[in-house]
Amino acid sequence: EVQLVESGGGLVKPGGSLRLSCAASGFSFTNAWMSWVRQAPGKGLEWIGLIKSRGDGGTTDYAAPVKGRFAISRDDSKNTLYLQINGLKIEDTAVYYCGDPHGRSPYWGQGTLVTVSS
Amino acid sequence: EIVMTQSPLSLPVTPGEPASISCRSSQSLLNRNGYNYLHWYLQKPGQSPQLLIYFASNRASGVPDRFSGSGSGTDFTLRISGLEVEDVGVYYCMQALQSPLTFGGGTKVEIK
Repeated sequence: EVQLVESGGGLVKPGGSLRLSCAASGFSFTNAWMSWVRQAPGKGLEWIGLIKSRGDGGTTDYAAPVKGRFAISRDDSKNTLYLQINGLKIEDTAVYYCGDPHGRSPYWGQGTLVTVSS
Repeated sequence: EIVMTQSPLSLPVTPGEPASISCRSSQSLLNRNGYNYLHWYLQKPGQSPQLLIYFASNRASGVPDRFSGSGSGTDFTLRISGLEVEDVGVYYCMQALQSPLTFGGGTKVEIK
């Protein structure tokens, strides 16, 4: 059974930083191209970025609105995905989800809430 | 960027009646491996999106067989053969062929 458990969210002041984690199990994490998406309150789903498997180069790609502030990384030894968010803005307030949309198990986790407020 | 267009925006359905949601992409989602990189999700109120259909027509584990997906290339359809009360929520299609990955705007299914 695929399990994706996000953590690390919380209340942060504008300009602050956070690191989100995503613990994965039930599929081949090492071979997966992992993504983060987010959902602002009352809005639709927005893709943030992805990281390819190490075997495919381990490179990252980001949506234009977050490029330069967000960084995705992975630790295959821990089956864990990370999202480092710097320079947080009010508009980054959202629930953040991780998943493997390129594979045969494109589930999303239960999400972690990031609230940016002064 | 591949634009995903869902219709209708809102869909009131009588329980037991069928429902159909359309999703169109601005470019073909058919990969050279033969798979259409199109997934369907249902987000129930207060919950995370749950996977219904992957690669256009494959039902996810545990998903009732009243849900089915069809289509290829740029036109896709999600069908519910007989709506149940527990099926209300917002349905999203998503393309995973090309970055940036993009979602449809959502279709809100409610009880008529």
